[in-house]
Amino acid sequence: SQQGEEDPQALSIQEGENATMNCSYKTSINNLQWYRQNSGRGLVHLILIRSNEREKHSGRLRVTLDTSKKSSSLLITASRAADTASYFCASYSGAGSYQLTFGKGTKLSVIP
Amino acid sequence: DAMVIQNPRYQVTQFGKPVTLSCSQTLNHNVMYWYQQKSSQAPKLLFHYYDKDFNNEADTPDNFQSRRPNTSFCFLDIRSPGLGDAAMYLCATSSRLAGGTDTQYFGPGTRLTVL
Repeated sequence: SQQGEEDPQALSIQEGENATMNCSYKTSINNLQWYRQNSGRGLVHLILIRSNEREKHSGRLRVTLDTSKKSSSLLITASRAADTASYFCASYSGAGSYQLTFGKGTKLSVIP
Repeated sequence: DAMVIQNPRYQVTQFGKPVTLSCSQTLNHNVMYWYQQKSSQAPKLLFHYYDKDFNNEADTPDNFQSRRPNTSFCFLDIRSPGLGDAAMYLCATSSRLAGGTDTQYFGPGTRLTVL
């Protein structure tokens, strides 16, 4: 079963603009992770936010987590063409779980 | 650089002809995972190894098997590939921490085509 649902499913922006992607999840989590996948490649871990954190930054990335709404957002500031990829949120199904369940992903296109 | 390597990157097989995909890691992680990802979909966990302990997801077809002969290597065997098994297969590793907090490190994937 799917733990996370991202929206929008696809997003197209101009280089230099900010991109915001949202994720909703169903069950309680210890942490929520965001991964990037370039076309036809493996996934790369971007950032992890723990359930007791509300916001986290890493370079041009900003992640927020609202456990009361079971939602998270990923903001990429000053986007670049190289940011073109699919972005997935993911979380483990429960404490001690090995099943990292991914959302459907947001396909981001950054137009130079 | 420490990494997760998958071979081959592209594999073409015939309907019903067994195929083996391989994964190796230099991260010395104790957990290795296999995911299936179909076009425009999220990766789906097939199974994982915690050290030598094999753990199958409940909905993984029997057609899929796995072997982990040592810490560094893990193989995915598809005994009789069907057209529906055409997908990207992703290998990942993690160093198990407490409470399901692992970051997973992915290989580049093997794209399987079934003719």
